[in-house]
Amino acid sequence: EVQLVESGGGLVQPGRSLRVSCAASGFTFGDYAMHWVRQTPGKGLEWVSGISWKSDNIVYADSVKGRFTMSRDNARRSLYLEMTNLGPDDTAFYFCVKDTGQQLTNYLDSWGQGTLVTVSP
Amino acid sequence: QSVLIQPPSASGTPGQRVTISCSGSTSNIGGNIVNWYQQFPGMAPKLLIFSNHQRPSGVPDRFSGSKSGTSASLAISGLQSDDESVYFCSTWDDNLHGLVFGGGTKVTVL
Repeated sequence: EVQLVESGGGLVQPGRSLRVSCAASGFTFGDYAMHWVRQTPGKGLEWVSGISWKSDNIVYADSVKGRFTMSRDNARRSLYLEMTNLGPDDTAFYFCVKDTGQQLTNYLDSWGQGTLVTVSP
Repeated sequence: QSVLIQPPSASGTPGQRVTISCSGSTSNIGGNIVNWYQQFPGMAPKLLIFSNHQRPSGVPDRFSGSKSGTSASLAISGLQSDDESVYFCSTWDDNLHGLVFGGGTKVTVL
């Protein structure tokens, strides 16, 4: 069974940085592209970033480009999102999501339960 | 404002058919496949329909998807109380170079 467990969320002041992580199990992590998708409590979904299986293609939403860095460690079966210069609009649940392909596709077939990032003074 | 436009709500009585629309443009729905996700309160989204109309294993055939031009639709036939949830459409946007989602449609079973 695919399991994706996010961690690292919490309360952070505006302008500060935070790194969230995702531990994967139940599938060959290194064979799949991965994504981060966020959701403001009670609101819609926003794709944040995606990374191909070998990290040779990493793309970001315009809203986070230049501030967020996505990376992965296939040996550790882990996914990361380094977030800098955080603002109130970054407050959201951050979901770690598995793609169905090695390169970025449109198919997100497994989601973690999310970790909450709250940006507030 | 979401790139893909969905009605905020839809409703029906048990047994009825409910249809949810998802409107986009040539840069997203018009040139890419559409997926649908179902999300219950406090839970992560779950893939419901992929590649416009395909159902993952375990998804009842009461759920069906379609796409035409720059719009897509999700239909739920034989509506059940367990179908009360929020449904999101999603696709790739060639101009934005990323995934885009609809704002979500909350389905209520009356």
